[in-house]
Amino acid sequence: GAGVSQSPSNKVTEKGKDVELRCDPISGHTALYWYRQSLGQGLEFLIYFQGNSAPDKSGLPSDRFSAERTGGSVSTLTIQRTQQEDSAVYLCASSLGEANYEQYFGPGTRLTVT
Amino acid sequence: GQNIDQPTEMTATEGAIVQINCTYQTSGFNGLFWYQQHAGEAPTFLSYNVLDGLEEKGRFSSFLSRSKGYSYLLLKELQMKDSASYLCAVNTGFQKLVFGTGTRLLVSP
Repeated sequence: GAGVSQSPSNKVTEKGKDVELRCDPISGHTALYWYRQSLGQGLEFLIYFQGNSAPDKSGLPSDRFSAERTGGSVSTLTIQRTQQEDSAVYLCASSLGEANYEQYFGPGTRLTVT
Repeated sequence: GQNIDQPTEMTATEGAIVQINCTYQTSGFNGLFWYQQHAGEAPTFLSYNVLDGLEEKGRFSSFLSRSKGYSYLLLKELQMKDSASYLCAVNTGFQKLVFGTGTRLLVSP
C-alpha cells in the first residue's frame, strides 16, 4: 500500500498558537516514531509508540508537546503555545516492530512559527 | 550520554569511491543504520549492521566494528544523484534510534 503520509506538509503559525500534526503510518506497522529535524541538525527523537504499550515520551522537549495514537494507527503530535524555537521539520516514521527494523519515513511537516 | 560523530561535509567526483565514517559512544548497542536523505525529502533506508564485518548491497557497502565503536559507508562508482546527506543512526537498545547530524556529500562532474 501507500507509504507513510503526513499532513499538513507546511504549517505557518503565530507564536503562542497551538498546532496539530498528523501521521498516517503504513498499514500493519506496529511501531510509530516522531522526530524533529532543525536546520543543520540531526534527527531528534521525540516519542515512540509500540502496539498497545505505553509510549516512550522521553524525547519530548517540554510539556507543551504531546502525542497520541488512536486505534494503533493514526498519530497526532500537538504543540501548545508554540515558540519560535519549535520551527523545524517534524518527521514521522513507522516500522514493523521494534527499533532493529527498518523505519519508513513520511515526507514531514515543515513548521514555521512567526 | 549518547554521542555519534560524522564528518559534516565531503566532496567527491563522479565515478569515484567515497567512504563516510561514523563513530559512536552510546549506553547500549543493538545495531547501526545508514539512511540517505536528499534535500527536502524524507530519509530512506540504506543498510543495517548488527554484527562485525562488511555488508555489501550493490554500489553501497557498510562496515561495522563494535569493539571500536566505528562504522563506515562506502559508495562506489559515484553518480550525481548520490549527492545527499548520509545519516548514521544507532539502536541503543531502548527501542529508538539515536541519529548523528549527518554527512552532506557533494558529487561533482
